[in-house]
Amino acid sequence: GEDVEQSLFLSVREGDSSVINCTYTDSSSTYLYWYKQEPGAGLQLLTYIFSNMDMKQDQRLTVLLNKKDKHLSLRIADTQTGDSAIYFCASYRPGGFKTIFGAGTRLFVKA
Amino acid sequence: GAVVSQHPSRVICKSGTSVKIECRSLDFQATTMFWYRQFPKKSLMLMATSNEGSKATYEQGVEKDKFLINHASLTLSTLTVTSAHPEDSSFYICSARDFGGTGTDTQYFGPGTRLTVL
Repeated sequence: GEDVEQSLFLSVREGDSSVINCTYTDSSSTYLYWYKQEPGAGLQLLTYIFSNMDMKQDQRLTVLLNKKDKHLSLRIADTQTGDSAIYFCASYRPGGFKTIFGAGTRLFVKA
Repeated sequence: GAVVSQHPSRVICKSGTSVKIECRSLDFQATTMFWYRQFPKKSLMLMATSNEGSKATYEQGVEKDKFLINHASLTLSTLTVTSAHPEDSSFYICSARDFGGTGTDTQYFGPGTRLTVL
């Protein structure tokens, strides 16, 4: 079945860039999402990219998509302590009726 | 963007009681809503797909008699945890599917409900 994988932990220093990687298996995925979850809170949609795009930039966030390798990454520039959270990668195929989530990458930002 | 609300945000109940969680799409009509459960340090597990006016479709391993889902209108779905037990304590998140007028199709997530069963 469909699967989304991502590393579980990432630790960076404040001010550095963070890169969170994700791989997915459903080649029919049309939307690829990045969600942020802070402790005790729900999911916040950070950004998403359509499968016909290679890159999307939104302020400090840059999403890169390699559709051939089914690899997605999220780069956070100038990472701040407030960026500490769990980041979920997710793939969605309209008609598939399901969003498939990765296990989440816990980002630790050290001051 | 579209907003999905959940109520309550937190609930504590005694073992054996039932708890109802509401999920509302605030500015769009959602023919399909999804209920997820999140286990500590794990990803979201899809519990069921709720379609307006019809019975919910439950994922394998999810007890439909324990987790009752009702999607009575295009903006409201409810999840009732019946005869709750401590192992039902979890974070429950709903999402609503939005078919936009321009042909877009995306999901918006609620903020989640933290259920604690004593």
